Amino acid sequence: KQEVTQIPAALSVPEGENLVLNCSFTDSAIYNLQWFRQDPGKGLTSLLLIQSSQREQTSGRLNASLDKSSGRSTLYIAASQPGDSATYLCAVMDTGRRALTFGSGTRLQVQP
Amino acid sequence: DVKVTQSSRYLVKRTGEKVFLECVQDMDHENMFWYRQDPGLGLRLIYFSYDVKMKEKGDIPEGYSVSREKKERFSLILESASTNQTSMYLCASSPGDHYGYTFGSGTRLTVV
Repeated sequence: KQEVTQIPAALSVPEGENLVLNCSFTDSAIYNLQWFRQDPGKGLTSLLLIQSSQREQTSGRLNASLDKSSGRSTLYIAASQPGDSATYLCAVMDTGRRALTFGSGTRLQVQP
Repeated sequence: DVKVTQSSRYLVKRTGEKVFLECVQDMDHENMFWYRQDPGLGLRLIYFSYDVKMKEKGDIPEGYSVSREKKERFSLILESASTNQTSMYLCASSPGDHYGYTFGSGTRLTVV
């Protein structure tokens, strides 16, 4: 059964810092990996989707990489801002299942 | 943009009541999903549907059922609500297998 782990569970950084969030998964037979953002008490907003054949995806200040063979993905946030404060979740779609399996998230706080 | 609408943001129900949570999407997506989210446990899949009238159990289907009579609507039913079903319920849809998800804003259900 696929397991997804996110480290660290919580992170606090000063505004302007570049940061990396980590995601690892146990079964490398995946179709894709998706990063989401969740604000307190709200639903999830999709940030980036990486197909298994891709190495990375970029959107604005966000860059997500995927190393399928090692079961790892990173989300890089450049020049962090207080508005980036949220919980970031990664999720994988593996070949044995038709639904995403989620990590427990990294709670990010960017201090002004 | 795809919109996934959950009919209620907050619900309070009594133990033993039959509860209906409604989810509607407006972009002709094939797949729809129900997750629940609890602190420390992350998002867990309850049920999903890949076609009208088709459903498949997720990781925690006990105490729940679903209905998908029309493509755009996916309902989660708590047959007899219990206090351990107090949670945030999140609905999502995707165009098909191996595509990205779009989430609704969630329903926070409290069973008293």
